[in-house]
Amino acid sequence: AQSVTQPDIHITVSEGASLELRCNYSYGATPYLFWYVQSPGQGLQLLLKYFSGDTLVQGIKGFEAEFKRSQSSFNLRKPSVHWSDAAEYFCAVATYSSASKIIFGSGTRLSIRP
Amino acid sequence: EPEVTQTPSHQVTQMGQEVILRCVPISNHLYFYWYRQILGQKVEFLVSFYNNEISEKSEIFDDQFSVERPDGSNFTLKIRSTKLEDSAMYFCASRPDGDHQPQHFGDGTRLSIL
Repeated sequence: AQSVTQPDIHITVSEGASLELRCNYSYGATPYLFWYVQSPGQGLQLLLKYFSGDTLVQGIKGFEAEFKRSQSSFNLRKPSVHWSDAAEYFCAVATYSSASKIIFGSGTRLSIRP
Repeated sequence: EPEVTQTPSHQVTQMGQEVILRCVPISNHLYFYWYRQILGQKVEFLVSFYNNEISEKSEIFDDQFSVERPDGSNFTLKIRSTKLEDSAMYFCASRPDGDHQPQHFGDGTRLSIL
């Protein structure tokens, strides 16, 4: 069965520092991967997605993610975080059923230290 | 940019009562979804809907739940007899036809069962 693991429940980084959020997936075929961000009281906003092609994908708000098949990973990175990046980040995989439901990881809460 | 809208933003209901959560998907989208997020937990898939019928549902989506697209614009989730454990944030999502199209999420309805 498909699954997504985000090993870090909570991360705190200083403003201006680099960020990497980890994500590992379990899926039998080539996965369709996403990162979503959720600010407090808000919905889920798509940051970026990967299906095929270049394994380094660029998203909105200066985020990027790298797909590594050998490690079953899809880590999210940002070179310099801003206080407004504080939020919950979800890694997710879409199934290849006709419904293409999304399976989410448990999320990583990002706090920014001034 | 078009977006998925959900109403109400917060619903408070007595246990045992029926509740209907409403969603207006993006107008040219053909696939519709409901997800829920219990406080502090991951986002979970409930049901997907396409061509006026359920295409997939999770084990959470039991006989107490139903979905409907009563007209050309609304997509509703009904819980017939609410339980305390139904308290959660409920997200509606939609996506257009075609392979590898990302889902667009609404801001959610917070359902509180008393």
